[in-house]
Amino acid sequence: DQQVKQNSPSLSVQEGRISILNCDYTNSMFDYFLWYKKYPAEGPTFLISISSIKDKNEDGRFTVFLNKSAKHLSLHIVPSQPGDSAVYFCAASAGAGGTSYGKLTFGQGTILTVHP
Amino acid sequence: NAGVTQTPKFQVLKTGQSMTLQCAQDMNHNSMYWYRQDPGMGLRLIYYSASEGTTDKGEVPNGYNVSRLNKREFSLRLESAAPSQTSVYFCASSEWGEANYGYTFGSGTRLTVV
Repeated sequence: DQQVKQNSPSLSVQEGRISILNCDYTNSMFDYFLWYKKYPAEGPTFLISISSIKDKNEDGRFTVFLNKSAKHLSLHIVPSQPGDSAVYFCAASAGAGGTSYGKLTFGQGTILTVHP
Repeated sequence: NAGVTQTPKFQVLKTGQSMTLQCAQDMNHNSMYWYRQDPGMGLRLIYYSASEGTTDKGEVPNGYNVSRLNKREFSLRLESAAPSQTSVYFCASSEWGEANYGYTFGSGTRLTVV
């Protein structure tokens, strides 16, 4: 049972345009959401996160939106750059700081390609 | 540089062989994790250790064992490797319960079982 789903295996955008990566979840207990970026032959690196008490969080070119009623989050990258080409994973945590021990459940990943 | 170090980076095993993947972190994190990454499956949790002295099963623990040797080190052992264990393995660490600060991942071990 995939509790975190990224239904688009890949996304291709032109440099300078917006990239929108989507993620859906099913577990109502999830209260913290994160995005990770992964380059080939490297480990994933933390990109941006959002708590369930918020609906938007920005960090430079990256913005994450959370729609709790739809159990949906998205990552917007504006403007997209060729260096953004990577695999993006969304992840979710239930009860961060509590008995979950910080366990993260990851989606399948979306390969983003930004063309010059 | 501070971070998570995994060894080896690559390994080829024959079916039935055993091996141990090593992981060490120097950030004084309490929690450590082992994930495997497979195409179309994302990252799946194998085992985790919330703090030194404790370990627990994740989503896909069958065929694996772990040891939290001390606060820094968390090893993953394959007792009898199978082709289904061909994967990329990532170790990660974080502050206890503080998933909101994100994990720090190692660079991975690419394991092939033939």
